[in-house]
Order: sequence, then C-alpha cells, then structure tokens
Amino acid sequence: EAQLLESGGGLVQPGGSLRLSCAASGFMFSSYAMSWVRQAPGKGLEWISVIGASGGTTYYADSVKGQFTISRDNSKNTLYLQMNSLRAEDTAVYYCAKVVWGNNYRFESWGQGTQVTVSS
Amino acid sequence: QSALTQPPSASGSPGQSVTISCTGTSSDVGSYKYVSWYQQYPGKAPKLMIYEVSKRPSGVPDRFSGSKSGNTASLTVSGLQAEDEADYYCSSYVGSNNVIFGGGTKLTVL
Repeated sequence: EAQLLESGGGLVQPGGSLRLSCAASGFMFSSYAMSWVRQAPGKGLEWISVIGASGGTTYYADSVKGQFTISRDNSKNTLYLQMNSLRAEDTAVYYCAKVVWGNNYRFESWGQGTQVTVSS
Repeated sequence: QSALTQPPSASGSPGQSVTISCTGTSSDVGSYKYVSWYQQYPGKAPKLMIYEVSKRPSGVPDRFSGSKSGNTASLTVSGLQAEDEADYYCSSYVGSNNVIFGGGTKLTVL
C-alpha cells in the first residue's frame, strides 16, 4: 500500500520561499507520475502540478506557473515542490499524490498534507 | 479554467440514496471520460472513490456509483451509512495535461 509523507511546510513571509518534500514508500516510486494538490482554508481542492515517472516531463496549473517548480529524486523516493515569491493566497494544505497520468487522470493515493501559511 | 460546479451540501437518511452532481462544460466533463470522485473527512486526506466516470477502485463499497450525462457527472451513494458523512469532490481532465476539481459537497447523514 502506498504511503506518502509530506514535510517542509510552515510559516513564511510574503515574498519568501519554501521547499516541500514528499517521502514515498510501499510502491515502485520510479514507475509512477506524482502530483501536488493544495487546499486553501475552508476551500476546495486545486491541482497545481504533475511530474512524469522519470522526471522528464512537468506540467503546472496557470496559477503557479513560473512560481513553483516540481521535481523528484527517484534514488531517494522523494517528490519536491519548490515554491518562490509566496503570496497570502498560497496559504493552504499541500498534498502530494500518486497519480495515473497520460492514459488516465486520477489521484490514486494521497499523503496527509503539510500546512503552508504565508503571512507577515 | 473555472472549477466544476457542485452543490454545497446534500443530505439523506440512513438507508436512503443521495446523488451529488458535478457540472462542467463541453471542454471538460463533456469532452472526457476522466471524471473522478474523492471522499474527504475533516482534517484528513482525500480518498479516490470513483474514476473514469463509473469505475470503483478495489476496496470501495459498491454502494458508491458514478455516471455522466453531457456536461454533468453524478455520484450516487446508495444505502447511506453514517460513515458516508464527508466532503465529496469531483475532478475532470480538461486537456493539455490539466485537471480541475469541483468546489466540494458536504454530505450529511441525517
């Protein structure tokens, strides 16, 4: 069974940066695309980025394009999200997810999330 | 791309059936079979309940079913149980490697 554990969240000032990590276990990490989804307080889910199994392809939602960078280290079974120029509206719980992408589009397993708060 | 439209709330008594709608456009729900549904308990991670409009992952009770007509997808929960009380989100592929979610529906078991 897939297990995903996010870390790296916290309080950051507007304009600051943060790097989130997602440690994966219980499945062949290098064989699956991975994604980040966020949920602002009291709001719905928002897909923000996906990365292919090898790391060679990445896609972003328009809302974070040029601001966030997704990456992965298959030797460490870890997914990353580098977040720059953070704004108050980036405040959310950030989830990583194991996904099926390309011949289907679904979020199969989710981590418990890490809270990111952007405030002065 | 705007979020898919879901009713904010839905409710039913134990044993009854309830249907939650998810309305999009001809550019998302109406164009692709890649509609999924997720269940989320407060403070917990979402869980995949339905994918590809009507398919259930292993372990999801067959009380949960999905369908689609035109630009609207639906999740039906039959034989409601107290444990079904949760938030439910739909999602749809919209092309160009992009996915959007609905605003979520809070299901209350009366």
